[in-house]
Amino acid sequence: DADVTQTPRNRITKTGKRIMLECSQTKGHDRMYWYRQDPGLGLRLIYYSFDVKDINKGEISDGYSVSRQAQAKFSLSLESAIPNQTALYFCATSAGQGVNTQYFGPGTRLTVL
Amino acid sequence: GIQVEQSPPDLILQEGANSTLRCNFSDSVNNLQWFHQNPWGQLINLFYIPSGTKQNGRLSATTVATERYSLLYISSSQTTDSGVYFCAVGEDSNYQLIWGAGTKLIIKP
Repeated sequence: DADVTQTPRNRITKTGKRIMLECSQTKGHDRMYWYRQDPGLGLRLIYYSFDVKDINKGEISDGYSVSRQAQAKFSLSLESAIPNQTALYFCATSAGQGVNTQYFGPGTRLTVL
Repeated sequence: GIQVEQSPPDLILQEGANSTLRCNFSDSVNNLQWFHQNPWGQLINLFYIPSGTKQNGRLSATTVATERYSLLYISSSQTTDSGVYFCAVGEDSNYQLIWGAGTKLIIKP
């Protein structure tokens, strides 16, 4: 089984709809991250969390919110989706202290019409 | 903030060839990672290498932190090496990784 899972894998929605993307991990890592990737570009950080009570904004947090329900679960919400939020979304985890190698989920392809 | 530039942006090679991918960064970093994104979108961590040299099979990486660059070497390329290679850097103090735009590698059989 995959260590980092994301649901759904693909989603098409309409402008103005509320969308939630979910991430679960079995790696036992404290740190979790949400990124978006636009075509031809690298990843940009949306939010990151060091533990259940520690959530921080990343480079492009406007229009997004997150919830860290448990150590293993980190959800990303788009309260009112807009077309320029069409992108590939990745969840990642890392162990924290020392080497900060990040491990990625398979991604969620979101299309906002 | 830190700027990350990768070169070349695109690279097309025949199977069996060797390649060198470069990552330049604009400021001191304590965290540098290389990733491979396969044609299906999956991101795999290749190396955590803020300094020094590491090797893993046909892949190796070298980071010269004082000169602010890192190199990823791929020897005896295989078609499965195709995809996009990303360099990401950061300062551990703020835990954020800044990503380059990637090098798209196509290995032809």
